[in-house]
Amino acid sequence: EAQLVDSGGGLVEPGGSLRLSCAASGFIFPDSWMTWVRQAPGKGLEWVATITPDGSRKLYVGSVKGRFTISRDNAKKSLFLQMNTLRAEDTAVYYCASQFSSSSHFWGQGALVTVSS
Amino acid sequence: DIQVTQSPSAMSASVGDRVTITCRASQAVHNYLAWFQQKPGKVPQRLIYSSSILEGGVPSRFSGSGSGTEFTLTISGLQPEDFATYYCLQHHGDTLAFGGGTKVEVK
Repeated sequence: EAQLVDSGGGLVEPGGSLRLSCAASGFIFPDSWMTWVRQAPGKGLEWVATITPDGSRKLYVGSVKGRFTISRDNAKKSLFLQMNTLRAEDTAVYYCASQFSSSSHFWGQGALVTVSS
Repeated sequence: DIQVTQSPSAMSASVGDRVTITCRASQAVHNYLAWFQQKPGKVPQRLIYSSSILEGGVPSRFSGSGSGTEFTLTISGLQPEDFATYYCLQHHGDTLAFGGGTKVEVK
């Protein structure tokens, strides 16, 4: 059975850093575009970042450019999101998701990131 | 950046109703448009991808249509388990964008 497992969430002070991980299994991870999506409390879904299968292209929403870095390790079937200079408005549940335009589409269970002093 | 406008933001409906939700993209996105359902406290679930392809296991009362800049999700015969929030997502080009969501509530 295919699945994505998110981890690494937690409480961090404003200006701090956190690294999220997403472990994939049950599908061909190296062939898959991967994306991070977040959802602030009581709000809608927001696209954060996407990475191509070989890691050569990385796309970001404007509000995280220069602060967040998406990366992957295809040998370990893992996706990462390094989040620096965190702000209160980054507080959200962060989900990893595999490619949206094929049958091989899955979501992680989400990791809660809380930015607060 | 391509923006997506979803309407309505909320609606009240009854079991058996036909429900239509629309997403408009600020530029053509071809058929790179997906629809998701989310229930409170749950992970979003994809219903439709590539504008009109039904996800495996999703009931046939759900259908999607459109191309270019205008897309529609239709629920033909709303069921009790369909009361939820629905989102569209365009994933064309160098930015992706979700619509603001449509909350379908009990009338």
